[in-house]
Amino acid sequence: GDSVTQMEGPVTLSEEAFLTINCTYTATGYPSLFWYVQYPGEGLQLLLKATKADDKGSNKGFEATYRKETTSFHLEKGSVQVSDSAVYFCALSDRRNKLIFGAGTRLAVHP
Amino acid sequence: IAGITQAPTSQILAAGRRMTLRCTQDMRHNAMYWYRQDLGLGLRLIHYSNTAGTTGKGEVPDGYSVSRANTDDFPLTLASAVPSQTSVYFCASSEGVGQPQHFGDGTRLSIL
Repeated sequence: GDSVTQMEGPVTLSEEAFLTINCTYTATGYPSLFWYVQYPGEGLQLLLKATKADDKGSNKGFEATYRKETTSFHLEKGSVQVSDSAVYFCALSDRRNKLIFGAGTRLAVHP
Repeated sequence: IAGITQAPTSQILAAGRRMTLRCTQDMRHNAMYWYRQDLGLGLRLIHYSNTAGTTGKGEVPDGYSVSRANTDDFPLTLASAVPSQTSVYFCASSEGVGQPQHFGDGTRLSIL
C-alpha cells in the first residue's frame, strides 16, 4: 500500500542554520504531497503542498519540490528560527483521497 | 474565529467505559475525519465522512464508531474503552475530498 517515510528526529539546529527534512513516498499513480507542521499542544497546520511532478510548494520560507523520479518531497528552509521548532509531517493523498502521514520529524532550533 | 472545536481537551477514563469525543466545525466543510496520533506512528485515520449522512472506515476503525447527522458535527464514540486506545485524537475537515485538511487542537485520552 501507499506509504510515507521521513527521516528520524529529533533534528537539532542553531538559529539561522539550513534545514533539510527528507521525505520519500511509495504510491500508486500520482498523489498530491503535503507538509504539515504541529506546534506544541496544537493540531496540525498545512505548511505547503504540491499536486504534480516538479511543482514547488512554498510558505513561510519553507520549500519542497515534488520529485517524481526520486519519489521525494524534501522540506528545506534556508535560515531557521527558534519559532520554527515543531514537529513536521510529510503526507500524501492516496487514490481514495485519504491522507497517509509519515511518522513525523521533531525540529528543535536553539538561539 | 472559524475552525474546528474538539471536546474534551483531555480525559482519563476507566477501561470498559463508553466515551464520545466531540468535534464541531463552522466552516461548512463537506468532509470530516478522525485520526489518532501515537508516538513514532504519525497520524492514522480512524473514520471519515465525505459528506453529511455518509461515513467510511479508515486504517484503524476497530473499537470506534462515528455518525454524521449534519454538516457541522462528527462525534467519535468508543463503545467500551481499552488501554490500547490511549492516544491523542484529532478531528479534521476539508472543503471536499482531496482538499487540504484543517485540524482541531486534539483530545488527549488516557484509558486506565
